[in-house]
Amino acid sequence: SQKIEQNSEALNIQEGKTATLTCNYTNYSPAYLQWYRQDPGRGPVFLLLIRENEKEKRKERLKVTFDTTLKQSLFHITASQPADSATYLCALRMDSSYKLIFGSGTRLLVRP
Amino acid sequence: GAGVSQSPSNKVTEKGKDVELRCDPISGHTALYWYRQSLGQGLEFLIYFQGNSAPDKSGLPSDRFSAERTGESVSTLTIQRTQQEDSAVYLCASSLEGPSGYNEQFFGPGTRLTVL
Repeated sequence: SQKIEQNSEALNIQEGKTATLTCNYTNYSPAYLQWYRQDPGRGPVFLLLIRENEKEKRKERLKVTFDTTLKQSLFHITASQPADSATYLCALRMDSSYKLIFGSGTRLLVRP
Repeated sequence: GAGVSQSPSNKVTEKGKDVELRCDPISGHTALYWYRQSLGQGLEFLIYFQGNSAPDKSGLPSDRFSAERTGESVSTLTIQRTQQEDSAVYLCASSLEGPSGYNEQFFGPGTRLTVL
């Protein structure tokens, strides 16, 4: 069956450390993988997109890797801040489709 | 500029009643999406509009759910004879492009539906 898995347990880290979130998928061949941030009571906000032929993408303190062999994406936040505390969702999009298929998200808590 | 807006922000209804949820996408965005998010879950795709047409309605959970879009703008999601399992946050998103290529989706704040 097709699955997207994100760690359901919250990630609790100290301010200043690097947060690493994982997104694993099975039986999909995505053309794009996106990461979104969601705060309580709000809709998701787009952060980064990485294409299947890209290994790594960076934006300020954010870094995303995409390994199509392992079927895994890692999302890193360096020099984390309490304001980074939120739920982070990964989403796949197939080349032949338009809809996003979301994981259930991982909650990140950055302690001051 | 204005983002995606949704109304109402909260809706409490009794089982068996019909509800209408509204989405105002970003002006000029041709693509519009409806998703549903249950507590602690990821987003579940419901329907996609390109212009006023809905090429894919396969995510709608049952025939009690329908949606329309007019003027390549506002969309309404209607749930008839609501059931308790319909309780969720209903999110709308819009994007500038069509189905191909990069399509960052901009989300509204959602409508929280509670069916008693």
